[in-house]
Formats: sequence, C-alpha cells, structure tokens
Amino acid sequence: DAGVTQSPTHLIKTRGQQVTLRCSPKSGHDTVSWYQQALGQGPQFIFQYYEEEERQRGNFPDRFSGHQFPNYSSELNVNALLLGDSALYLCASSFADREHGYTFGSGTRLTVV
Amino acid sequence: DQQVKQNSPSLSVQEGRISILNCDYTNSMFDYFLWYKKYPAEGPTFLISISSIKDKNEDGRFTVFLNKSAKHLSLHIVPSQPGDSAVYFCAAMGRSGTASKLTFGTGTRLQVTL
Repeated sequence: DAGVTQSPTHLIKTRGQQVTLRCSPKSGHDTVSWYQQALGQGPQFIFQYYEEEERQRGNFPDRFSGHQFPNYSSELNVNALLLGDSALYLCASSFADREHGYTFGSGTRLTVV
Repeated sequence: DQQVKQNSPSLSVQEGRISILNCDYTNSMFDYFLWYKKYPAEGPTFLISISSIKDKNEDGRFTVFLNKSAKHLSLHIVPSQPGDSAVYFCAAMGRSGTASKLTFGTGTRLQVTL
C-alpha cells in the first residue's frame, strides 16, 4: 500500500517565479494538509483540504494557494517566490482519525535562488 | 509565538540506556499530543500519541507521559537503540473529532551511541 506520494522531490526556482507541488494521499485518506519546514525548524501548517475545499489555513500569505481534486490528490501553488520560501514542503493525509496522526510524504525540497 | 517548545536541540544517549525527550506547550486548548520521528530525506513518521484525558500511553519501547498542570509531556525510549537516532518532533492538536492541524515543536536530535 503506497503511502503519501509527493512530486517532485527537488526543485530549484528563481525569485518571482511560480511553483506547483503535488501530493497523492494514502489510500483511504480524504484529508490533505500541507506543511512548510524551514531549516532547523519544525513543520509549519499552511492549509488543509477536505472535500475539495480549504477547511483550515495557517499564517501564510495569499501567495500560497492550493487545490484538492475529486480523487483527493492535492496541489500547492506558490506565486511570486521569495528567497524565504526555500524549505521542505510536506504533504500529510488523514481520515478523520487522529489516533494515528497524519501520514506524511517525504516532501519536496524547494530552493529559490 | 512558539506554542510547542522543545528546548533541547540535541540529546546523546548510550545504547541500552533510557532516552527522555521533553516538550512544553502553552496553549490550553491543545487536547491531543503526538510524537513523530524523522530521518533525513524522509517525512515525519508517527510514533505515539496521547489524549489529554490520559497521563500515560505505552507502545513497546516508547512511553509518553503528559502532565497537564505543567503543560509538559515527555517521550521515554527504553532501551535506546542505534536505529532510534533521528530527529523527534512533538506536536499538538487543538480539536477533537475531525482532523485538525498539527502544531510542531522545533525538534530534538537524538543520537544513540554504541
């Protein structure tokens, strides 16, 4: 059973560009959350999608947007990239069962130059 | 505003000994707590959790203790093994029922030496 799959694994972008990151949740999971992990920090919550709608959002600017598709997969879009957006972006999926927390993907390492 | 704090960035323990990782939180609305382990180039892996209605939860070599009055939790690993060497994150949730967001600490790097 495949867990959470994220693509690409690594990405280099230039300041001002736009980027799209992709996530396929674990089979049976219907909720997808995105986290940003800067170097030396813990993951920070960006937003959560359920039933194709943004259900909850963290303290991130509108440059960060997302989408969930009918098959529960999700995209994270970041516009007008800044150097400070360089981080590991983690996708996590769940099925309203917090007894086992969330299942995380291996992440996408984004470098903005 | 760091609502979940892990004040020890690193910890070194000998194989076979007990590892104790600590975590403090400030938000009284948190009612569910989790520990995750993270290896380099991998995503965090769920380890163990505890509800605020309990003060202890065990799973094999891992035990989590919760002291609500002190807003403190700890993860005990006994006995520690070299494969336990990783970064450990404490995380908290603030809502029961449906899925909610995780608030993470900054992590503690555990090194288990031979």
